[in-house]
This record gives sequence, C-alpha cells and structure tokens, in this order.
Amino acid sequence: EAQVTQNPRYLITVTGKKLTVTCSQNMNHEYMSWYRQDPGLGLRQIYYSMNVEVTDKGDVPEGYKVSRKEKRNFPLILESPSPNQTSLYFCASTPGLAGGYEDEQFFGPGTRLTVL
Amino acid sequence: QKEVEQNSGPLSVPEGAIASLNCTYSDRGSQSFFWYRQYSGKSPELIMSIYSNGDKEDGRFTAQLNKASQYVSLLIRDSQPSDSATYLCAVTRGGYQKVTFGIGTKLQVIP
Repeated sequence: EAQVTQNPRYLITVTGKKLTVTCSQNMNHEYMSWYRQDPGLGLRQIYYSMNVEVTDKGDVPEGYKVSRKEKRNFPLILESPSPNQTSLYFCASTPGLAGGYEDEQFFGPGTRLTVL
Repeated sequence: QKEVEQNSGPLSVPEGAIASLNCTYSDRGSQSFFWYRQYSGKSPELIMSIYSNGDKEDGRFTAQLNKASQYVSLLIRDSQPSDSATYLCAVTRGGYQKVTFGIGTKLQVIP
C-alpha cells in the first residue's frame, strides 16, 4: 500500500529531552515536508526537502532539525524540546516532476506531541 | 496581512445545498493552488488542484481561480453530511517551493 508513515503517533515528553519523529514514504517521491498544526494557526511548514541531502527552511524552523540521507526517510529532530513545541505534526511527500502530479502532497497520519 | 486567508467559519449549509468556500492569497507569483479536506483528528487529503484561471470540475466539486483578483474558491454541490470537515486552501509558487496553507474553513452540512 502506498503510504506515508510516522512514528510515534503519540508522544509525551519533558522539556529538554531530545526526540526524533520518523517519517517514511514508499512511493519514491522526491519531495518531503514537515508541518505543525495548531488551533487558530493552521498548518505551518517547518522544513522541506527537494531531494537527498537538500533541505530548506519553511515558515517555522526554529527549534527543529531535519536530515534527508535516504530518499524514503525524512526524520524531524527536536534537540531540546520546549512546551511551545506541543503540537500536531504531519509529514508529507510529493511526487516531484517525474511523478506527473508535481505538487500534490500525501500526508502521514500525524504525531501528537506534548512537551511538559 | 496573512499570505493565505480563509474565513474559519463554521459555514453551515443544509444537506443538498451548494457550499461555497473562499480563499485569497497575497503572493502574485503563486502558481499552484490546492484544496485539502481534513476530518477532525485526521490528516489532510487532496480534493482539488488548479493551476490556471477559470473553473475546474471534478464530480460535485468545482475549483475556481482568478489570479488577477488573487482569489481561489471551492464549490461543493449537493452537499452531504459526510462533507462536514475543515477545508484547507494551500498555495505555492510551483516547482515545490514553500507551501503556505490558510487556517481552514470548517464546513457543517446539516441533515
């Protein structure tokens, strides 16, 4: 089944404890992206990646890191989480030029993160 | 001014009516426009994409784009209770650059 997977789906942690949220897609998509969704603020892009080893900042990159060492994986790293990073996080992938539907995004199921 | 603006709603329409959802954007360089539907607690899923001025129809859904007015809309004909969700407008310059979403409009279809 073609899909974007995220793990964990739910996470409660404490301030300052490093964590990684994994994202993986099995559709050979070129582009991947991370978003956070907050009430009243909508979906905001954190980072995106156009290809392996190519990443760029979105609207709200502060406090986050990403890496794209393999085409299928795009982990989100919070090195020192703070309570204002409590949010619902979505990973998404996009086919890219080779996929025809250049810009359509396929979203993962979401990760609900609580930082105490 | 927000880059992509939507009325958060809720927009309530009776079953069988036409629901009209609107979105305005500020970046005149925008090339690609999308409507996503998001049910409560779920991830967004693509409903329509539109790239050129005019109307694009897909079943009960019609997207309308007017680049001169920087306006994109989504019409849902014969609205059903299952259409009750939040509808997100998304805009990008194309070629997969930064994607900007509106805050979404919550639609309620009343049986």
